[in-house]
Amino acid sequence: AQKVTQAQTEISVVEKEDVTLDCVYETRDTTYYLFWYKQPPSGELVFLIRRNSFDEQNEISGRYSWNFQKSTSSFNFTITASQVVDSAVYFCALSRLDTGRRALTFGSGTRLQVQP
Amino acid sequence: DGGITQSPKYLFRKEGQNVTLSCEQNLNHDAMYWYRQDPGQGLRLIYYSQIVNDFQKGDIAEGYSVSREKKESFPLTVTSAQKNPTAFYLCASGTATTNEKLFFGSGTQLSVL
Repeated sequence: AQKVTQAQTEISVVEKEDVTLDCVYETRDTTYYLFWYKQPPSGELVFLIRRNSFDEQNEISGRYSWNFQKSTSSFNFTITASQVVDSAVYFCALSRLDTGRRALTFGSGTRLQVQP
Repeated sequence: DGGITQSPKYLFRKEGQNVTLSCEQNLNHDAMYWYRQDPGQGLRLIYYSQIVNDFQKGDIAEGYSVSREKKESFPLTVTSAQKNPTAFYLCASGTATTNEKLFFGSGTQLSVL
């Protein structure tokens, strides 16, 4: 079975603070993909990043960075110098390739509130 | 502009009533998905379809039905058998392989009167 755990239900920070959102996953697949999505108050999920299981390089995109560690089954997301516009619910997700059931498994999400 | 359109944005259901949520995409995607979002529970898969005229149950399919008669459309019916239908419903589409990102609609909030 596949599972994604986001233990942080809600995080509140003050603008310009750095914040890290945790994601831990479980899978028996040797090949899999991990994703982060952002859900602003409008409701639509917005894709942020995709990472495959063979690529453990960290990635940085502007104020966003991702740390993928296969040894600990974690795919953490850091926002540097947070801004009010970063306030949203963030979801980590894992692709399911087993038994032909091809769909994403999502974590429960972390609500980030950035205070001005 | 290409994208996914869900309608209506808000929907109310009476006891014993079936209601249908619409999802249309013009991205030429083969795969479409329905997810249910409850507070604190993330997104749970209801049904998905990899190709026209074929669909599979997800983790919480009981009380729901779907059809996929056209590539562009994947409507979800919430039947009277679904005893706790109040939730936010999200439709998504993508290529047939899940290593590619999904595109999401803006959701439908369903409430029970």
